[in-house]
Amino acid sequence: EAAVTQSPRNKVAVTGGKVTLSCNQTNNHNNMYWYRQDTGHGLRLIHYSYGAGSTEKGDIPDGYKASRPSQENFSLILELATPSQTSVYFCASGATGGQNTLYFGAGTRLSVL
Amino acid sequence: GDSVTQTEGLVTLTEGLPVMLNCTYQTIYSNPFLFWYVQHLNESPRLLLKSFTDNKRTEHQGFHATLHKSSSSFHLQKSSAQLSDSALYYCALSNYQLIWGSGTKLIIKP
Repeated sequence: EAAVTQSPRNKVAVTGGKVTLSCNQTNNHNNMYWYRQDTGHGLRLIHYSYGAGSTEKGDIPDGYKASRPSQENFSLILELATPSQTSVYFCASGATGGQNTLYFGAGTRLSVL
Repeated sequence: GDSVTQTEGLVTLTEGLPVMLNCTYQTIYSNPFLFWYVQHLNESPRLLLKSFTDNKRTEHQGFHATLHKSSSSFHLQKSSAQLSDSALYYCALSNYQLIWGSGTKLIIKP
């Protein structure tokens, strides 16, 4: 079974603070993704990566940066957190190719106060 | 651009009744992949089933769906709902990127 691990699982941050969400996968997948999930909006793509050193903007990248230093690790960075970024964040990995399944981490619940 | 439409935001059913969750899509690609993901409460989404073959029924865990390119549909069905089927269901389309529907929350009552 594919394994995607997110940390932390829960995070409370202050407005204006920096937040880093981490994701590690042991599937050797090229593609990794960061989504946020809010009631009424479903899953929205923030950033994604096709491999180490690459990051691409998704549908809602404003206020977020991403970093893919290795095949296994993909981070999401909120340089100046705002209350509107309170959400549940999911990391996912998948092999190259449109037919391939995405495997999700357990999620990070972020509250920005 | 490409899109996926799930018309029902919430479906409430009694246990034992049939389930049908609607999914239609728009794409310029002639060979899209269609997926159903399921997300139970406090869990992450996981694949339920997928297909790219026109008019072929795909089944998994009691659920089934058939991709109909003529009507751009990939509806999810089950003959008899169980309490454990209560969850959020996402339909998704893949060409070069995964396009998600807005999700349908399914609640099964005793």
